[in-house]
Parts: sequence; C-alpha cells; structure tokens
Amino acid sequence: NAGVMQNPRHLVRRRGQEARLRCSPMKGHSHVYWYRQLPEEGLKFMVYLQKENIIDESGMPKERFSAEFPKEGPSILRIQQVVRGDSAAYFCASSYSVGGPETQYFGPGTRLLVL
Amino acid sequence: GNSVTQMEGPVTLSEEAFLTINCTYTATGYPSLFWYVQYPGEGLQLLLKATKADDKGSNKGFEATYRKETTSFHLEKGSVQVSDSAVYFCALDAGGTSYGKLTFGQGTILTVHP
Repeated sequence: NAGVMQNPRHLVRRRGQEARLRCSPMKGHSHVYWYRQLPEEGLKFMVYLQKENIIDESGMPKERFSAEFPKEGPSILRIQQVVRGDSAAYFCASSYSVGGPETQYFGPGTRLLVL
Repeated sequence: GNSVTQMEGPVTLSEEAFLTINCTYTATGYPSLFWYVQYPGEGLQLLLKATKADDKGSNKGFEATYRKETTSFHLEKGSVQVSDSAVYFCALDAGGTSYGKLTFGQGTILTVHP
C-alpha cells in the first residue's frame, strides 16, 4: 500500500510566479491536512480538507493561498504570486476518518524555494 | 497560543550512546503530546505519544514522560544505533477538535556514527 505521496519534492519559483503542490493521500483516505514548516520553525497547521470540502482553514494566510481536494485526483495547495517568505517545506498528511493525530499519515514534503 | 520548543541541533552521537532531546511546550488546557520521526526521503511517522500527565510513551527503545509541572516531554533512548539517524519532531494536540490539529517543534537532526 503506497504511502502519502507529494510532488514535486523540490520546487523553485521566481517571485510573482504560481506554485502548485500536490498531495495524493493513501488509498481509501478521504481526509487531508496541510502543514508548513518555515526555516528554523516547527510545522504549522494550515488547512484540513475532506473530499470537496474545506473543514478548517484557520492556518491559511488570508491572501494568495488556496487549497482544494476534488472528488477525483490529488489535493492541491496553490500559492499565487509567490514571495521569498513563502520558501518553506510543505507537508501533507491523510487519514481514513476523523480522529486524533494517530490517524494521520504524513508525506515526505515539498521544499519550495522562491528566488 | 500553543507552541513547542525543542533543543537546538544537530545532535551527533556515537553508537550505543545515551540520547536526550529536550522538548517543552506552552498550551492551554491539557494537551496530548507526541514525538514524530522523519527518516531521509520519507514522511513523518508517529514514534510515541502520551495523553495525560505522568504518562510514559515508549516505542523502539525510545521513551518520553509527560511532565505537567515542567511542561516537558523529553525524548530519551539508552543506546542509540546508526539506524536512529533521522529528524525528530515534538508535537502537541491541544484538543477541542475531533481531527487532531497538531503544533510542532522545529525538529532536531540526530546523526549517529558507528
């Protein structure tokens, strides 16, 4: 059973470009969580989605960031007009059902570098 | 707000040495506490957890005790192996949601030499 997959693993963008990060949950999982790790900081919760619904986006920056988890296909975290401060590692996790952290399986992360 | 602070790394040890990675937290209420490990090229994996004061989580020779009086959850292992080389993250779940909204420390890189 393949784990949570994220791609690309490394992404380089120039300021003003768009970044699209993809997360394919484990088979059968319908819940996805996105976290961001800024340099020298811990992972911070961004958003929690179920299929076709955003449940909690309290950690998402108010502008330029959006997330979706369509009925078919991976979850996408989209960052428009990237700035240098967006450089970070972005992790996603998935779970089969609603539950505590023990139910979350993490992907290897996408490292975004904004030049 | 909630926060987790880990000892600064990287930590470099020889095989069979004793390991301690310090973790302290700030949270309202009674959080659950976790240690995650990330091996090179892989996702974070849950290593151990404790859900209330004085609980001891343990797995694969690693232990951590939930100390409410010192707001700490230090990770220890009596004899490390080269295969323990990884990044270790301390985390908390402050509760109040049904889905586990985690707050992480910055991670500590551990390198174990033969």
